Amino acid sequence: DQQVKQNSPSLSVQEGRISILNCDYTNSMFDYFLWYKKYPAEGPTFLISISSIKDKNEDGRFTVFLNKSAKHLSLHIVPSQPGDSAVYFCAASASGDFGNEKLTFGTGTRLTIIP
Amino acid sequence: EPEVTQTPSHQVTQMGQEVILRCVPISNHLYFYWYRQILGQKVEFLVSFYNNEISEKSEIFDDQFSVERPDGSNFTLKIRSTKLEDSAMYFCASSGGGFDEQFFGPGTRLTVL
Repeated sequence: DQQVKQNSPSLSVQEGRISILNCDYTNSMFDYFLWYKKYPAEGPTFLISISSIKDKNEDGRFTVFLNKSAKHLSLHIVPSQPGDSAVYFCAASASGDFGNEKLTFGTGTRLTIIP
Repeated sequence: EPEVTQTPSHQVTQMGQEVILRCVPISNHLYFYWYRQILGQKVEFLVSFYNNEISEKSEIFDDQFSVERPDGSNFTLKIRSTKLEDSAMYFCASSGGGFDEQFFGPGTRLTVL
């Protein structure tokens, strides 16, 4: 059940350049999207989110873009720094009665920043 | 900064044994979750918990699994009779609700022999 897909398992980017990580989803009920970063032997750490009423959200070096018609979102990191090297997970949820619904994760993209 | 903690960090058990994984969510959070990640696979939702009851569970969360919030701070996941395929990293998460992000603990690596 691949409702959230990250088609690039890995990505290498030069330090200082822009990193672009992509994510596609199939479930049209998803209305909230998040990016998490994960280092080995640690839990996922929240980076940035976007709700479906927006098409862009920015936080410092991180910007998330949402294209609802294409069911596609991307995370831009600029400038990329060596500490950004980690696995990045895209996640999505659908609003419901619960109030804070389960997250459906993609398979992750391993980002390596080359000094 | 408040954080979610989990114990133990690594649990090794024999097939058929019961295990209890423990979590201390962030203190003012109201929503609690368990996820797992089998090696090389994606993070998968197991169960969500709110107001002292299960809100949603996945098909993975069968009768062998249970969750409990025995006091005001701990949130536990019990696996009654472990199977080899239960070997995974188990992550606890908590959230304040609404569109608040879920904060994840560092995980417990469960190895079933």
